[in-house]
This record gives sequence, C-alpha cells and structure tokens, in this order.
Amino acid sequence: DAGVTQSPTHLIKTRGQHVTLRCSPISGHKSVSWYQQVLGQGPQFIFQYYEKEERGRGNFPDRFSARQFPNYSSELNVNALLLGDSALYLCASSLADPIVGYTFGSGTRLTVV
Amino acid sequence: AQSVTQLGSHVSVSEGALVLLRCNYSSSVPPYLFWYVQYPNQGLQLLLKYTTGATLVKGINGFEAEFKKSETSFHLTKPSAHMSDAAEYFCAVSWNNNDMRFGAGTRLTVKP
Repeated sequence: DAGVTQSPTHLIKTRGQHVTLRCSPISGHKSVSWYQQVLGQGPQFIFQYYEKEERGRGNFPDRFSARQFPNYSSELNVNALLLGDSALYLCASSLADPIVGYTFGSGTRLTVV
Repeated sequence: AQSVTQLGSHVSVSEGALVLLRCNYSSSVPPYLFWYVQYPNQGLQLLLKYTTGATLVKGINGFEAEFKKSETSFHLTKPSAHMSDAAEYFCAVSWNNNDMRFGAGTRLTVKP
C-alpha cells in the first residue's frame, strides 16, 4: 500500500517567490494536515483539512494557504517567500478522526535563498 | 498557554541499557498523547498513543509509555536499547481533533 506521498522532495526558491507543495494521502484517508519543521525543532501545525474544508489553522501568516481536492489530495501554497520559510514541510493523513494518529509523508525540504 | 515539554534535547545510552525519554504537558484537561520517531531524512512514524483507557500503552519496537495525570507526564521507555533505536523522538499532544502540538524533540544516541 502506498503511504503518504509528497512532491517535490526538495526544492530551492528565491526570496519573494511563490511555492506549491503537494500531498497525496493514504487511500481512504479523508483528513490531511500540514506541518512545518524548522531544523532542530518539532513540527509546527499549519493547517488541517477534512472533506475539503479547513478544520484548523495554526499561527502562520496569510502568506500560507492550502486546499484539499475531491480526491482528498492537498496543496500547500506559500507566497512571498522569506528566508525563514526554509524548512521541512510535512503532510500527514488520517481517517475521519485524526486522533487515531497521523501517518506522515517524508516531507518536502524547502530552501529559500 | 498549552504546551509540550521534552526534558533533554539529547539523551545518550549504551546498547542494552534502559531508555527513558521525558514528556510533560501543561493543561488541566487531559489531552490525547502520542510519541513519534523520526529517522534522518524521513517523516514521522507513530510509536504509540494514549486516548482513553489503560494508562500504560505499548507501542512498536518494544517501546511503551505511561500516562500519569497527576504528574501531567507521558514518558517513553524501552528496557533495552538497540543501535537501531538511534533517532529523534517527538512527544505530541492534542486537545481537539484539529491540531497536534509537538515537543521540541529528543535525539537519542545509542553507544555500542
């Protein structure tokens, strides 16, 4: 069975640019969450989506946005990139009730120069 | 503010020794509790979780954790460390269904 897949695995962007990160959840999982993990820190919650609706939002600026598609895949968009946006972006999926535990993808390593 | 604290950013043990990784949370309302492991260049893998019921929870790879409400703790233990246990370990809590809050992580080193 395919796990949570994220693309791309790595990318380098310049300050001020825009980036789109993609996530495909495990088949049957309807909830997708996004996390930012800065080097040396724990993951920080960005968004949670369930059935294409935003269920939660962390303390991130409006430059960060996301959406979930009818097939439950998801995109995370970041506008006007800053150097501080450099991080590992993790996508996690779960069944309807995420409390049973998330399954994480391997992440997208974003470097902003 | 609700928070998660992992005491000790680095823990080093000898192979075969007891592993103890500490996690405390700040809240009067018991949360749901999780431990995840992260190997280099990989995502997070769920080790175990506590939601309700028995406070001693057994997970994968021989790990277990005990929820102690009076101490607001959820420490992770393993009786005998193996070289393959070397990784970053994250404690996480959730007070609702919308987000999970992670600690800063503890890097476990296992010496031969």
